[in-house]
Amino acid sequence: AQTVTQSQPEMSVQEAETVTLSCTYDTSESDYYLFWYKQPPSRQMILVIRQEAYKQQNATENRFSVNFQKAAKSFSLKISDSQLGDAAMYFCAYRSTLYGGSQGNLIFGKGTKLSVKP
Amino acid sequence: SAVISQKPSRDICQRGTSLTIQCQVDSQVTMMFWYRQQPGQSLTLIATANQGSEATYESGFVIDKFPISRPNLTFSTLTVSNMSPEDSSIYLCSVGVRVYNEQFFGPGTRLTVL
Repeated sequence: AQTVTQSQPEMSVQEAETVTLSCTYDTSESDYYLFWYKQPPSRQMILVIRQEAYKQQNATENRFSVNFQKAAKSFSLKISDSQLGDAAMYFCAYRSTLYGGSQGNLIFGKGTKLSVKP
Repeated sequence: SAVISQKPSRDICQRGTSLTIQCQVDSQVTMMFWYRQQPGQSLTLIATANQGSEATYESGFVIDKFPISRPNLTFSTLTVSNMSPEDSSIYLCSVGVRVYNEQFFGPGTRLTVL
């Protein structure tokens, strides 16, 4: 079975600085998807960034980028120029492709609570 | 993107009663997922709901406790039966949309059981 591990329960960053959140996973599959979701106090799950395992290029979305190391099964999230609105719980998630692309359910890590200091 | 609504957004219930949570999607989807998020915890999949067939439950979750209906391709309900304080959680429904290659989540239902 697949597992996702986030080893940092809490992280703190100064506004405008850069922070990296760690995520490792375990799987025997060669093709899969990885995600970072953000959950602010409103509890709405918001997709931050997505990475397809078959793509070697790291995904980037504005201030958010990932460092995807397939061999090491590592998937870290870098937030540049941190803003107060970035404060939230961040969840790393894995999805198999076995169920046909977007149909499969997500396996989540325990989350990292990010605080942003003004 | 898919827009998902859930009702109720929150509720406070007495021990031993049941609550039905509704999930409505603005487009037709094959599979819908129900997750539970206990206080301060991550999301755990309860079950996968396919239209026209029985829901598939994950280990630790049973149909008698969490019956699910999926009458059509845009709607599903999750019932939390015979509630106890341990059922106090946020319950979220989610759908996968192939064309967007991602999953969308509803706003969640915050349940408190006294």
